[in-house]
Amino acid sequence: DAGITQSPRHKVTETGTPVTLRCHQTENHRYMYWYRQDPGHGLRLIHYSYGVKDTDKGEVSDGYSVSRSKTEDFLLTLESATSSQTSVYFCASTSGGLGYTFGSGTRLTVV
Amino acid sequence: GENVEQHPSTLSVQEGDSAVIKCTYSDSASNYFPWYKQELGKGPQLIIDIRSNVGEKKDQRIAVTLNKTAKHFSLHITETQPEDSAVYFCAASVSNDYKLSFGAGTTVTVRA
Repeated sequence: DAGITQSPRHKVTETGTPVTLRCHQTENHRYMYWYRQDPGHGLRLIHYSYGVKDTDKGEVSDGYSVSRSKTEDFLLTLESATSSQTSVYFCASTSGGLGYTFGSGTRLTVV
Repeated sequence: GENVEQHPSTLSVQEGDSAVIKCTYSDSASNYFPWYKQELGKGPQLIIDIRSNVGEKKDQRIAVTLNKTAKHFSLHITETQPEDSAVYFCAASVSNDYKLSFGAGTTVTVRA
């Protein structure tokens, strides 16, 4: 669905370089989330946001930071990428009280 | 925090048969339990959800049951079709928290 888009869809980067993934939603949802998906682990929460400039850590936040300067945009930054951060990253949003809407994911490979 | 366990990790069924996926959760305060379906190369999509004041919910060929006492909930797919082949995730949350904790996923394959 076009309501939530992630960019880029694929990225290969070198160890030690900074990487920023972007999530953009047009649903005017208040809550936004970044998850990573790895085999055997399902979806694990990295960071989330309750509103503009209001963010908090999830269960696997080490090595990641986020920013939300506008309702529609939620950025995930890997300050210095490591091979353990090779994963598929999903952004999600919700207005609250209902199921999440997920983006199509970003496949990140750190070499 | 909430811990959600999901079984089995893989499930192969003959077309037309039923499929059942089970999940358990640890936090007795959890009161919202959605199920997501993820097709290859796509993000998860909500297919059905249930709240703790309801024991069962149906939507055509899919149903979800909840046992609050035992802290487990299940997804039932009847009359499976090839398009049901996907990865299914269960999740749980306390509704005023708006954070979902996911199970590890079940890969369902429907054999023609």
